[in-house]
Amino acid sequence: SQTIHQWPATLVQPVGSPLSLECTVEGTSNPNLYWYRQAAGRGLQLLFYSVGIGQISSEVPQNLSASRPQDRQFILSSKKLLLSDSGFYLCATTSDSRYEQYFGPGTRLTVT
Amino acid sequence: AQSVTQLGSHVSVSEGALVLLRCNYSSSVPPYLFWYVQYPNQGLQLLLKYTSAATLVKGINGFEAEFKKSETSFHLTKPSAHMSDAAEYFCAVASGGSYIPTFGRGTSLIVHP
Repeated sequence: SQTIHQWPATLVQPVGSPLSLECTVEGTSNPNLYWYRQAAGRGLQLLFYSVGIGQISSEVPQNLSASRPQDRQFILSSKKLLLSDSGFYLCATTSDSRYEQYFGPGTRLTVT
Repeated sequence: AQSVTQLGSHVSVSEGALVLLRCNYSSSVPPYLFWYVQYPNQGLQLLLKYTSAATLVKGINGFEAEFKKSETSFHLTKPSAHMSDAAEYFCAVASGGSYIPTFGRGTSLIVHP
């Protein structure tokens, strides 16, 4: 079965500071990878997804970016954080059927 | 195109009572349907899934859901609520070779003693 690791678990950053969140996946190869954000009371928002190394699709224009330097590593970054970037960030991958998703434990980001 | 509507952002039940969380979907092709549960400060966990086999799907923790094509619904039920069922529940649809599911906005289940 697949295991998804995310770190850090929590992060408090000032406005204007950079961001790097990391996600790694075990137990599968060539996975589809996804970054979601949950703002308070707003459900899941898909930010980025990737079907392979170096292949990133952005769903929402914003000051965030994503990269996939290795097959099972997905990184979410920002050069300058905004207050509105606060939220719970979830990394996900899909099953072998590619339809159901498995989620990591999440990173709670608070921008102050 | 696909979409999901979860009726009711909050559902409150007493411990031992029936749980019913509603989900309606739209999809131009036969869908795959899912229910996920999220406990506070955790990631989502798959409860159950419908993938065009049996229309009544049983999941973990005593939950089940029935796919009704005529009603475009996939409601989640549990005969007897437990305090530990208190969580956020998300319905999702995926279809037609798109590996990007569409999630509903979620329903918060509150269980009273």
